This record gives sequence, C-alpha cells and structure tokens, in this order.
Amino acid sequence: AQSVTQPDIHITVSEGASLELRCNYSYGATPYLFWYVQSPGQGLQLLLKYFSGDTLVQGIKGFEAEFKRSQSSFNLRKPSVHWSDAAEYFCAVGAYGGSQGNLIFGKGTKLSVKP
Amino acid sequence: DARVTQTPRHKVTEMGQEVTMRCQPILGHNTVFWYRQTMMQGLELLAYFRNRAPLDDSGMPKDRFSAEMPDATLATLKIQPSEPRDSAVYFCASGLGDRDGEQFFGPGTRLTVL
Repeated sequence: AQSVTQPDIHITVSEGASLELRCNYSYGATPYLFWYVQSPGQGLQLLLKYFSGDTLVQGIKGFEAEFKRSQSSFNLRKPSVHWSDAAEYFCAVGAYGGSQGNLIFGKGTKLSVKP
Repeated sequence: DARVTQTPRHKVTEMGQEVTMRCQPILGHNTVFWYRQTMMQGLELLAYFRNRAPLDDSGMPKDRFSAEMPDATLATLKIQPSEPRDSAVYFCASGLGDRDGEQFFGPGTRLTVL
C-alpha cells in the first residue's frame, strides 16, 4: 500500500538559515510526488510537484525538492528561510491504481522560524 | 483567479444536530475530494467524486456521513446526527483527475460540535 512518512513533526530554524524537510514514500510504481504548504487557518497550497524527468524540481516561494528513487525520498529544501515560511508542510504521493487523482498525505511537518 | 469555495467557514452546533457543508469546485474540474483534518489524525480522505459519481467513500463513517454532488458546481457533505468527535476542519479540493494529480484546496470549514 502507498504511504508517506514525514519523520519530523516540528522543526525550528532561524530566519536566513537553510531548511530541509524530509519525506519518504512507499509506492509500487513510479510515484507522483507533491509538497503542499498550509498557513494557519488556510487550506493547502501546492508548492511543487514531481512526475518525471529532472529529479530536482523548482517550486514557488524559492522552494525546491529532489527526488531520490534509491532512497524513496522527496525532501524539500530552501536555502534561506523567511519568517513568512512558518507553516505546516505536507508531502503527498499520487495513488493511481485505478482511482486516478487520489493523493496520500503525510502527517505534516510544522515549521517555526526564529527571528 | 479560480479557486475552490467552501461554506460556511465556521460552524458551531450541538450534538445531534444535522450539519451540511458545501463546496464549489473550480469550474472545469471533474474530481472533488473531501478531507477531514484533526490534530490527532492529520489529513484524512473521506470521499471523492469523478464526474459527480462517487469513486471512493471508504474513509467516511457511513452511518452518519453522506456526500453528494447534486450538480457539477456543488458538492455537499452532511453529518446527521453530529457528535463531538466530528469536530475538525473539513476541506474540499478539486482537480482534473488525470495523471496530473494536483488538487486545489478550499479554505476549509471549521466545525465544532458541542
């Protein structure tokens, strides 16, 4: 069965520091991978997605993620965090076995940013 | 700027009352999802529809929850009777339902059942 693991529940970084949020997935075929961000009181917004091709994917707000098949990972990175990046981040994998469009979400990682 | 809308944004009700949440998907999207988000369980898929037909509602408690799409512009999620454990934020999302699995989320309905 498909699954997504985000091992870090809560991460705190200083403003201007680099960020890496971890995501590991379990999926039997080529995965379709997504990162979403949720600001307090808001819905989820797509940051970036990977379907195929270049394993380094650029997204909005200066985020990028790298797909590593050998490690079953899709970690999210940002070189310099801004205070406005404080939010919860969700990794998701596309589950397309006959029910196209269904996503499996991880539990999320909450990011706090110190001034 | 096309976006998913949900009403109401907040709902407080008493145990045993019926609750109806509404969602207007983005025009042209043929797949609609209902999620529930709680601190303990995170984001759970309750049900989803393709071209107004239910594809999967296995995540939904069948005895009290029901989801429908009366037309392509409206999806509803009903709870009858509501219970305190139903308190959560309910999100609707829509998408094109093809290999591009991107989902566009609404702002959510925060439900509190007293």
